[in-house]
Amino acid sequence: QIVVTQEPSFSVSPGGTVTLTCGLSSGSVSTSYYPSWYQQTPGQAPRTLIYSTNTRSSGVPDRFSGSILGNKAALTITGAQADDESDYYCVLYMGSGIWVFGGGTKLTVL
Amino acid sequence: EVQLVESGGGLVEPGGSLRLSCAASGFTFSNAWMSWVRQAPGKGLEWVGRIKSKTDGGTTDYAAPVKGRFSISRDDSKNTVFLQMNSLKTEDTAVYYCTTVRGSNLQYFQYWGQGTLVAVSS
Repeated sequence: QIVVTQEPSFSVSPGGTVTLTCGLSSGSVSTSYYPSWYQQTPGQAPRTLIYSTNTRSSGVPDRFSGSILGNKAALTITGAQADDESDYYCVLYMGSGIWVFGGGTKLTVL
Repeated sequence: EVQLVESGGGLVEPGGSLRLSCAASGFTFSNAWMSWVRQAPGKGLEWVGRIKSKTDGGTTDYAAPVKGRFSISRDDSKNTVFLQMNSLKTEDTAVYYCTTVRGSNLQYFQYWGQGTLVAVSS
């Protein structure tokens, strides 16, 4: 069974930089998995941040960026702000019409 | 402006059925691939299934936990996508989100509805 891994929690200071990662229980994440990232605050629907590894969705500030770091996909927030405190989810496309979400990372800004 | 409005959620007993709807507007629905994603209370997001546009074959794919129990269909004349859920289990309790899917060489969920809550309990 394929498991997509994310850090359960992370904290960052206001103005700081944080990198969240998205890996596979077996194997490496590459651009062929079309990693995408979503932000969700409590009680709200998810918001699309990044798709195809590193393309920002419309209206997303450029302090959010995506990349491949080593064998994982990564979401970097540069100059974190208080309202970046959210849950962040990655999802990987496995091919054959199947997507698998990671378990999400709860980001605290303090 | 793209809008996705889910409806049809509610309380159902284990083994029962429910049909969710998602009414779309603000884009050419007939060309769109659509998906359902769910979120159990206090848990993460889980992809449920996807339907392609009719011009791309209208085919469906499902996550393993729901395959054989859930089915997705669409009515392009009504700009609506449906999720038929049969043989419901308590673990199907979740908020169900409707999303648009950018397929081909993008493969991501572009727009999201606000979700509808399904509770499976006796």
